[in-house]
Amino acid sequence: NAGVTQTPKFQVLKTGQSMTLQCAQDMNHNSMYWYRQDPGMGLRLIYYSASEGTTDKGEVPNGYNVSRLNKREFSLRLESAAPSQTSVYFCASSEADRRLAYLQETQYFGPGTRLLVL
Amino acid sequence: AQSVAQPEDQVNVAEGNPLTVKCTYSVSGNPYLFWYVQYPNRGLQFLLKYITGDNLVKGSYGFEAEFNKSQTSFHLKKPSALVSDSALYFCAVRGYNAGNNRKLIWGLGTSLAVNP
Repeated sequence: NAGVTQTPKFQVLKTGQSMTLQCAQDMNHNSMYWYRQDPGMGLRLIYYSASEGTTDKGEVPNGYNVSRLNKREFSLRLESAAPSQTSVYFCASSEADRRLAYLQETQYFGPGTRLLVL
Repeated sequence: AQSVAQPEDQVNVAEGNPLTVKCTYSVSGNPYLFWYVQYPNRGLQFLLKYITGDNLVKGSYGFEAEFNKSQTSFHLKKPSALVSDSALYFCAVRGYNAGNNRKLIWGLGTSLAVNP
């Protein structure tokens, strides 16, 4: 299994440009997440999807949109990139089946996308 | 208030010596606690978790963590550090967002440097 994959690995954008970060998982997990990681600020949740067909805002959703395309895929879109969105973006997934409570909240992360907005 | 504190930004230890990375938390109810590791230019990897049961939890790569309810701590430990353990370590606790949905609350991370 590949686990959680993300594309692209690196991207440079100009202010105002748009782009979509792709994420896919092959673990049949219900829940998926998008985080950004910035120095001194740890991990901050942007959006999450508890299950296919649902999405919810996290701590820092402004400037982003998401799509849970199917159970495997969860994309993050920047409609008009800003320098403040320069960051490393991580996608993660977890099992949220109540029958498997001991697995809940164990999140599995992708390798990340490094985004620079000029 | 829900929070996780990792009081040390950086921990330095000599190879072969025991290491401890500290974590304290604040959350209502029974805590679900996690440790993750991030190697340079990589995503986070799950190390171990405490849900219930024995206060000493064993995880990957020889790491263990001790849950202390009275001190609201969940320190990560390893008896003998390796240079390859050098990485960024994150502690997390399960909390709830405004909609009463579960979420992970993350510490800011501790950079561990193991010197040869």
